[in-house]
Amino acid sequence: DGGITQSPKYLFRKEGQNVTLSCEQNLNHDAMYWYRQDPGQGLRLIYYSQIVNDFQKGDIAEGYSVSREKKESFPLTVTSAQKNPTAFYLCASMTTTAEGSLHFGNGTRLTVT
Amino acid sequence: QKEVEQDPGPLSVPEGAIVSLNCTYSNSAFQYFMWYRQYSRKGPELLMYTYSSGNKEDGRFTAQVDKSSKYISLFIRDSQPSDSATYLCAMSDSWGKLQFGAGTQVVVTP
Repeated sequence: DGGITQSPKYLFRKEGQNVTLSCEQNLNHDAMYWYRQDPGQGLRLIYYSQIVNDFQKGDIAEGYSVSREKKESFPLTVTSAQKNPTAFYLCASMTTTAEGSLHFGNGTRLTVT
Repeated sequence: QKEVEQDPGPLSVPEGAIVSLNCTYSNSAFQYFMWYRQYSRKGPELLMYTYSSGNKEDGRFTAQVDKSSKYISLFIRDSQPSDSATYLCAMSDSWGKLQFGAGTQVVVTP
């Protein structure tokens, strides 16, 4: 079955450590996205990529970095510069021919203590 | 002020009742409107997609868009306990960048 795989489901890190969240899709979608979800705030866009080797900052990019070396993969690194990294992180993808049809993974819950 | 406002609930209804959800927005350029359903600890899944104003029906779900009032609604008829989830509205003015509401938690009690 086609879909988006995020791993791990739960991740625990100590403050000051960088951590990388994995996102892989086999839907052959061109665009990929990273969102952060906090209680009561909905989804906020961190980074997005419409094509391999290119990506743009979203609304809350500070303290995060991404890469897009392959069409299928869009890993997100949460750096020690992110002031409040504990959150639920969602990866999504979209074909360039279907507005609004974001397909989401099942998320990674990151807890930093 | 947020571009998209959505009451977080929770909204509790008895099984079989109609669930009524809505969002208001401030950006008149929005023209693509969506509703997503999200179960606990899962990713959102697309329920309804509407372009511009009007109504769209799919089974027990009806989406309405009123661009003049900057107001969108989702109705769920004959609600079931399996409809218990968080419902997120989303909208955009162009391809690719969506603005999401905060989500409304719905609880359907047997």
